Amino acid sequence: SQTIHQWPATLVQPVGSPLSLECTVEGTSNPNLYWYRQAAGRGLQLLFYSVGIGQISSEVPQNLSASRPQDRQFILSSKKLLLSDSGFYLCAWSTAGPRLEQYFGPGTRLTVT
Amino acid sequence: GIQVEQSPPDLILQEGANSTLRCNFSDSVNNLQWFHQNPWGQLINLFYIPSGTKQNGRLSATTVATERYSLLYISSSQTTDSGVYFCAVDPSGANSKLTFGKGITLSVRP
Repeated sequence: SQTIHQWPATLVQPVGSPLSLECTVEGTSNPNLYWYRQAAGRGLQLLFYSVGIGQISSEVPQNLSASRPQDRQFILSSKKLLLSDSGFYLCAWSTAGPRLEQYFGPGTRLTVT
Repeated sequence: GIQVEQSPPDLILQEGANSTLRCNFSDSVNNLQWFHQNPWGQLINLFYIPSGTKQNGRLSATTVATERYSLLYISSSQTTDSGVYFCAVDPSGANSKLTFGKGITLSVRP
């Protein structure tokens, strides 16, 4: 069966510091991968998605970036965090193809101080 | 782009009550999913239901694709049903990503 991992689970970072969040998927090949952000009490905002290694689509302009160095690895980064980057970051995967059924990881709660 | 509206935005129930959550979408869709976000933030897949009816225990869902809506039924609600329920759709002709509704916050009181 497929599993999705995210780490760290929680993170407190000062403004201006760098960020690296990692997501890995096991038990499937060539998945679509997604990064979402959820502000407190709000809905889900799609940040990036990837349909293959090195293929990244950005949904929202911001100081974040994403990379997919391996088939089942998705990384969210920032060079300098802003206070507004605080939130709950969720990674998700789906199989490629017409049945777009997404599965979410446990999330990373980021607080920028 | 496609619009996804969920109603009601908030719902308070007494334990044991039944409820119906609604998701309307503005265009035809290839896929539709219902998720439950528990109080710890975990998003749990409830149903993949682009059309038809499915049941899983006390929960069931119906999607009428031709009329562009989906319903999630919760029977005999329990406190563990509390959280936020999201509907998400994949528009026909679009690729690779879901559009989410704003969610319905459900509180079940003992």
